Amino acid sequence: GDSVTQTEGLVTLTKGLPVMLNCTYQTTYSPFLFWYVQHLNEAPKLLLKSSTDNKRTEHQGFYATLHKSSSSFHLQKSSVQLSDSALYFCALNSNNRIFFGDGTQLVVKP
Amino acid sequence: ETAVFQTPNYHVTQVGNEVSFNCKQTLGHDTMYWYKQDSKKLLKIMFSYNNKQLIVNETVPRRFSPQSSDKAHLNLRIKSVEPEDSAVYLCASRDRGNSDYTFGSGTRLLVI
Repeated sequence: GDSVTQTEGLVTLTKGLPVMLNCTYQTTYSPFLFWYVQHLNEAPKLLLKSSTDNKRTEHQGFYATLHKSSSSFHLQKSSVQLSDSALYFCALNSNNRIFFGDGTQLVVKP
Repeated sequence: ETAVFQTPNYHVTQVGNEVSFNCKQTLGHDTMYWYKQDSKKLLKIMFSYNNKQLIVNETVPRRFSPQSSDKAHLNLRIKSVEPEDSAVYLCASRDRGNSDYTFGSGTRLLVI
């Protein structure tokens, strides 16, 4: 069945370092992928989305590229900030149904 | 302001009580959802509803029920709360096709 896998439950980094949060998916339909960010005690908010193969999409310093060949949509940032500490969800829209990954908690230390 | 609005923000209640949470969206979206976010922060869909169809996640206990007066409102009632119902309940809405969700700020429920 359709699913999203985020392999890291927790990622801890020092400010200024690059980060990549993994996201892979499984579907037989044409995929539409999303990244949501949830700061502490706030609602999840859309960060990025894409349905175009091999095209990089960017927002607020974060970027991701949908690779249909590897069923991946990894989230990256070249230099994390303290304010990036949050919970990040990868999500798949498949045949108009949404599937969320389990989330990756990003902790950025000074 | 267009958004998804939830009330209350917090609710503390005793086991066995009935609670009701409200959700309203002013985005003109045609589908609304309730999600439960547990202590592990996992997002679990409970219900999705548009003005024609209610889809229930079969794992949701029967004490939970959605209530809708129109496509802009989707409330959640819990008939007799249990300790494991303590969680954050997130309401969301979405338009057709591949558009993303807009979430409300959530209702945090504590059952004591």
